[in-house]
Amino acid sequence: DIVMTQTPLSSPVTLGQPASISCRSSQSLVHSDGNTYLSWLQQRPGQPPRLLIYKISNRFSGVPDRFSGSGAGTDFTLKISRVEAEDVGVYYCMQATQFPWAFGQGTKVEIK
Amino acid sequence: QITLKESGPTLVKPTQTLTLTCTFSGFSLSTSGVGVGWIRQPPGKALEWLALIYWDDDKRYSPSLKSRLTITKDTSKNQVVLTMTNMDPVDTATYYCAHSVLGIAARPGGGWFDPWGQGTLVTVSS
Repeated sequence: DIVMTQTPLSSPVTLGQPASISCRSSQSLVHSDGNTYLSWLQQRPGQPPRLLIYKISNRFSGVPDRFSGSGAGTDFTLKISRVEAEDVGVYYCMQATQFPWAFGQGTKVEIK
Repeated sequence: QITLKESGPTLVKPTQTLTLTCTFSGFSLSTSGVGVGWIRQPPGKALEWLALIYWDDDKRYSPSLKSRLTITKDTSKNQVVLTMTNMDPVDTATYYCAHSVLGIAARPGGGWFDPWGQGTLVTVSS
């Protein structure tokens, strides 16, 4: 099974400052169809998860452009260029290339 | 607009079978490239993928729970049902269903989840 490891697990950030979350997979996430099914989700307190990024770097509809995804193979990063108060929550990476699909442990973003 | 809603018991006793229904709208589960998955989240913990059903009735399960899970779909009712047998207090969690966009060029297709239902909290206790 592929294991997803996120760092850090907690990220206190000053409003307006950038934040970065790393996600590493135990195996390559390149699918036989050539795509890499690595997505990022945001879970605000008391809410279900919401898709931010799919296939490494594709911003989902309605997601602010301060969110960006990058990476390849086994190493991926989610960046928030300028953290806003509404960005507080837990962020998960998820691999959906190989079954069983798997989530990272989550990274809690909070305001300093 | 795609929406999903989970329904089922909020409290089950140990050893009982849990049956959850995901009722959706805004898409058809007979359309190529579409799936519905189940994910759970114990209180204060991370997300755990449970199962996925493809448009063509291909089914995939978490290996650690495979012997206890069954996922089915009723396309005419726009519903997906998840059953989990032999429930235990460690299965206490919020259970989510989610729409999945899936690749069709190579099987089994990869994908992503969006949107998610609001989730339903299931407590296992005697």
